[in-house]
Amino acid sequence: QQQVKQSPQSLIVQKGGIPIINCAYENTAFDYFPWYQQFPGKGPALLIAIRPDVSEKKEGRFTISFNKSAKQFSLHIMDSQPGDSATYFCAASQNGNEKLTFGTGTRLTIIP
Amino acid sequence: DGGITQSPKYLFRKEGQNVTLSCEQNLNHDAMYWYRQDPGQGLRLIYYSQIVNDFQKGDIAEGYSVSREKKESFPLTVTSAQKNPTAFYLCASTGWGAGQPQHFGDGTRLSIL
Repeated sequence: QQQVKQSPQSLIVQKGGIPIINCAYENTAFDYFPWYQQFPGKGPALLIAIRPDVSEKKEGRFTISFNKSAKQFSLHIMDSQPGDSATYFCAASQNGNEKLTFGTGTRLTIIP
Repeated sequence: DGGITQSPKYLFRKEGQNVTLSCEQNLNHDAMYWYRQDPGQGLRLIYYSQIVNDFQKGDIAEGYSVSREKKESFPLTVTSAQKNPTAFYLCASTGWGAGQPQHFGDGTRLSIL
């Protein structure tokens, strides 16, 4: 049973645009929602994370929006750059960071 | 420099052969994880260990085995029982306490000869 659904599967955005990646979860016990960025041939790296007690979190050009009632959260990338081209994964876990459940990933391409 | 080292980067397995993937961390992390990554399926948890000499099955443990004899090492064996082993394997670790991020190695790509 897939517990975290991620969309879209792929996304192409022009430089300077704002790509948005969405995730929805089913397990209401989840209380930690990180986003990971992965470049080809590398392991994922933590980008930003949020807990359900806030509706938005910003770190640099990256923003997570969180809607607890809808069980959805999304990643926005402001002023996107070609260097942001990567695969992005949302994830969720309960009791902190134990046993992350990952979404299926979004391949983002930023064109100049 | 602290981090997670996975080796080898590429590995080839013959039919009926067991192979072992290495994962070493010098972050002094208690918990370690093995994930399998396939195109379009995200990362799926194979095994995890929260303490030395103890480990639990993840969602897709069949055909795999692990050991945790030392805090810094968590090797994964892909056995001949795993009929579709071709994938990218990722090892991760995390420190104690809620909200600690998982740190990943750069993976091992396993292929069948």
